[in-house]
Formats: sequence, C-alpha cells, structure tokens
Amino acid sequence: KAGVTQTPRYLIKTRGQQVTLSCSPISGHRSVSWYQQTPGQGLQFLFEYFSETQRNKGNFPGRFSGRQFSNSRSEMNVSTLELGDSALYLCASSSLAGVNEQYFGPGTRLTVT
Amino acid sequence: QKEVEQNSGPLSVPEGAIASLNCTYSDRVSQSFFWYRQYSGKSPELIMSIYSNGDKEDGRFTAQLNKASQYVSLLIRDSQPSDSATYLCAVAGGSYNTDKLIFGTGTRLQVFP
Repeated sequence: KAGVTQTPRYLIKTRGQQVTLSCSPISGHRSVSWYQQTPGQGLQFLFEYFSETQRNKGNFPGRFSGRQFSNSRSEMNVSTLELGDSALYLCASSSLAGVNEQYFGPGTRLTVT
Repeated sequence: QKEVEQNSGPLSVPEGAIASLNCTYSDRVSQSFFWYRQYSGKSPELIMSIYSNGDKEDGRFTAQLNKASQYVSLLIRDSQPSDSATYLCAVAGGSYNTDKLIFGTGTRLQVFP
C-alpha cells in the first residue's frame, strides 16, 4: 500500500498570507490527524477528521482550520500567517477514529518570512 | 508538570549494547502508548504500540508498560548505528485528552561503532 502523502513538501510564505496544505491518507484509512512540529514545542496535535467530521481539536487559534473530503483526503488551512507558524506540519492517518496506530506522512515544511 | 516526559538525551550507547529509553506520563487513566522513531529531517515512524501492563516484544525492540508507576519504556537490543534517531513516546486515552495523542519531546539516541 502507498503511504501517506502530503503536498507541497516545502513552502515559503510571507506574514499575513494564507496557506493550504494537503494530505492523502493510506488507502482505506478514514481518519486523518494533523500535527505541528517545532524545535521548541515538539509535536502538537492540531485536529482530527473522520468521515468528513472534525472529531477533536487541539489548542490552536481559529486561524488554523481543516476539512476532510469524501475520499478521506484532508486539507488544513492557516490564515493570516505569523512568523511563529513556521514549522513542520505532519499529517497522520489511521484506519479507525480516535486513538490507535497512526502513520505519518513526510510533512510539509512551512517557512513564514 | 508536562503530560509526557522524556529525557532529551543524547543517550549514547556502543554498537551491540542495549539502549533503554524511558517515558513517564501524568494522566493515570491513560490507555494507549506508542513509540515512534524520527530520523533527522524525516517524519515519525511507528515502532511499537502497547496497551496493557507488561512487556511486548517485536524483533530487537521491547516495550514495557507499568501503569501503576505511570511509566513506559523501550529497550533496543543489539543497538546499531542505524538506530541513531530521536525516539518519541506518545500517550493517549486519558481523562482530559481521550482521543488525542500527546507526545513527549523525544530522546535522542546515538549508537557509536
């Protein structure tokens, strides 16, 4: 089976812009979770989608949003980018909702200047 | 107190030795525990999951869980230089974060020839 794919792999944006990141889960997986990874804070949970519904949300401002499509692909959007949003954004898929074994994609490295 | 704590390391072990990585968690009712390996510049890769007290072995890896002590560990036998990476402990199913994976900041392992 193909793994989790994320596009784009690298992105450079300017403060105030918005960005959309995409994630395609492993075939057959219906749950997609998003994480932000920074050197200072480590891996932090953003949100989880299952069957096009957001099941959980982490402690991030409303500028961070996401959605899931009927084919389980997911997108996350960050509006009004800030310098502190520079991070590696990781998506992980799992076959079931909730906590179980999650498999990560390669990530999108976002740099905000 | 952090929800999931790991010693940041680096933990340096010689090739062929046993590497012991430790993790403690604060939420006593946590249910699910995972170990991920992350090479520099790469995304986390799931190594082991463990849900009940005791040991779980998979090849050179053994995960140990002690819920009474709120402690989970990963032993790597016959350590190889290719095991050099950051090992992330993740915990979920607790009182306040039922369906969210909470990650520790990771322990950097260095295996020298």
